[in-house]
Amino acid sequence: KAGVTQTPRYLIKTRGQQVTLSCSPISGHRSVSWYQQTPGQGLQFLFEYFSETQRNKGNFPGRFSGRQFSNSRSEMNVSTLELGDSALYLCASSLNGDQSTDTQYFGPGTRLTVL
Amino acid sequence: SQKIEQNSEALNIQEGKTATLTCNYTNYSPAYLQWYRQDPGRGPVFLLLIRENEKEKRKERLKVTFDTTLKQSLFHITASQPADSATYLCALGGGGSSASKIIFGSGTRLSIRP
Repeated sequence: KAGVTQTPRYLIKTRGQQVTLSCSPISGHRSVSWYQQTPGQGLQFLFEYFSETQRNKGNFPGRFSGRQFSNSRSEMNVSTLELGDSALYLCASSLNGDQSTDTQYFGPGTRLTVL
Repeated sequence: SQKIEQNSEALNIQEGKTATLTCNYTNYSPAYLQWYRQDPGRGPVFLLLIRENEKEKRKERLKVTFDTTLKQSLFHITASQPADSATYLCALGGGGSSASKIIFGSGTRLSIRP
């Protein structure tokens, strides 16, 4: 079974631009969560999608948004990029999003650098 | 506010010894605790989950303990190998089963020297 894939793996943008990151979950998984990982803040939850609906959202500004398609693939978008948005963005998929029973599988991440 | 602390940023262990990583938390009552492994440039990989009513869990060379009185979890790797070198993250879950309810620690970088 193929794992979680994320594209692109690396991205360099300048302040003010916007970016779209893509995530393909494991086949059959309906829940997709996005995380931001930085050396200072660690791994922080951005949002979770389940069956094309945003189920939960973390404490991030509205510049961060996402969506999920009918095939469970997900995208996240960051508009008006700031230097502080430089991070590793991780996507994780699980069967139903129940963290107490489902195993969460992470993708390799997209390394975003904002100049 | 809720806080998770993982012992020291880095831990160096001789091959064959037991590595013990610590995860302490405050102002939180987790229903379960997860441990992940993360290699450089890759996403975390789930290792073990232990619930609040479980004292210990094992998987091959891995053992996790969970002490809700001490508010601490210990993660042991026995007969450590250089291939075990990685960053290990603990994550607390509770107040719901959503990923939004999980708090990750900053991780401990483990190095196993031959």
